[in-house]
Amino acid sequence: GAGVSQSPSNKVTEKGKDVELRCDPISGHTALYWYRQRLGQGLEFLIYFQGNSAPDKSGLPSDRFSAERTGESVSTLTIQRTQQEDSAVYLCASSLSRMETGGPSSYNEQFFGPGTRLTVL
Amino acid sequence: GQSLEQPSEVTAVEGAIVQINCTYQTSGFYGLSWYQQHDGGAPTFLSYNALDGLEETGRFSSFLSRSDSYGYLLLQELQMKDSASYFCAVREKTGANNLFFGTGTRLTVIP
Repeated sequence: GAGVSQSPSNKVTEKGKDVELRCDPISGHTALYWYRQRLGQGLEFLIYFQGNSAPDKSGLPSDRFSAERTGESVSTLTIQRTQQEDSAVYLCASSLSRMETGGPSSYNEQFFGPGTRLTVL
Repeated sequence: GQSLEQPSEVTAVEGAIVQINCTYQTSGFYGLSWYQQHDGGAPTFLSYNALDGLEETGRFSSFLSRSDSYGYLLLQELQMKDSASYFCAVREKTGANNLFFGTGTRLTVIP
């Protein structure tokens, strides 16, 4: 079946502009995550959606960052007034549901999309 | 706070065995996961340890010791295609459902 898809694959923008990144999770996956990965660095959690529950926004670095998700489908990550420090790869992941504490590996796997490489000039 | 420490780089010979360590400091977590990421690619899931001990999946094995705050990923019969970055990750018992990732280890397999 289809995996997680993201668009655009690459985005170059000027400082101060707004950008919108899109994520299509795997059908049936109720949980969706956004991460940021700077060059040569690990993944930094941004935001998490689970079904119709209020999203966990604890990882958003500033109020310039926001995200929405319609039901259990597409999500968009919006960065307003972009700064050069926002340049990174933005990765989206989905999983079956809220990860189980002691379940098998399949319940604890996050499936990642290919990412959007954002360059702010 | 939490931290997951990994060696930044490891080099090993094709056909050999390599161990990538992950030491952590966290107030409590559900399990330790490992992800592989090739240059320019998306992270892909390798393994998950909910309990102490060894989990084996083909050439890859992962180990967790909660008492030692330590885990590792073991790669056997190394192949050139194993050259990639490897990340350990935990989900903390804070109510959040996100993964907290380690700093990553870049593995280079040489002929």
